[in-house]
Amino acid sequence: KAGVTQTPRYLIKTRGQQVTLSCSPISGHRSVSWYQQTPGQGLQFLFEYFSETQRNKGNFPGRFSGRQFSNSRSEMNVSTLELGDSALYLCASSSMPQGNGYEQYFGPGTRLTVT
Amino acid sequence: QQQVKQSPQSLIVQKGGISIINCAYENTAFDYFPWYQQFPGKGPALLIAIRPDVSEKKEGRFTISFNKSAKQFSLHIMDSQPGDSATYFCAASSGWETSGSRLTFGEGTQLTVNP
Repeated sequence: KAGVTQTPRYLIKTRGQQVTLSCSPISGHRSVSWYQQTPGQGLQFLFEYFSETQRNKGNFPGRFSGRQFSNSRSEMNVSTLELGDSALYLCASSSMPQGNGYEQYFGPGTRLTVT
Repeated sequence: QQQVKQSPQSLIVQKGGISIINCAYENTAFDYFPWYQQFPGKGPALLIAIRPDVSEKKEGRFTISFNKSAKQFSLHIMDSQPGDSATYFCAASSGWETSGSRLTFGEGTQLTVNP
């Protein structure tokens, strides 16, 4: 099976702009989660989508949003970018709630740099 | 109560030695404890995981030890190799009904194995 794919891999944006990141989960996985990774804050949960519905949300401002499509692919959007949004954005998929759904598999991430 | 504390922040061992990384948690609702390995430029990769109904799980050179009463768990890497040099993250989850696929991560440990 192909792994989790994320596009683009690298992105450079200017403060105030908005950005959309894309994630394709492992085939058959319906749960998609997003995480932000920074040197200072580590890995922090952004939100989770299941069956096109946001099921969980982390402690991030409303500028961070996401959605999931009927084929389980997911996008996250960050509006009005700030310098502090520079990070590696990771997508993870799992087969929850079926099977060994606890296991989550991460994509390679999108490196976002805000200047 | 949602935090997972990880130590040490960095670890240097000699080839063939044992690497030990520790994690502690507060939330007694956590019921799944995975370890992830991350190489530079890559997403975290699931290494090994344990549920609280067992005290130890071994997969090859990697062993998780779990102490439910102390709310601690640790990763042991036997016969450490230079190729094991990476950042290791412990994590915890409280299950689909409670928190979906959400993982709470430790701060990470930078492991360096000298040849």
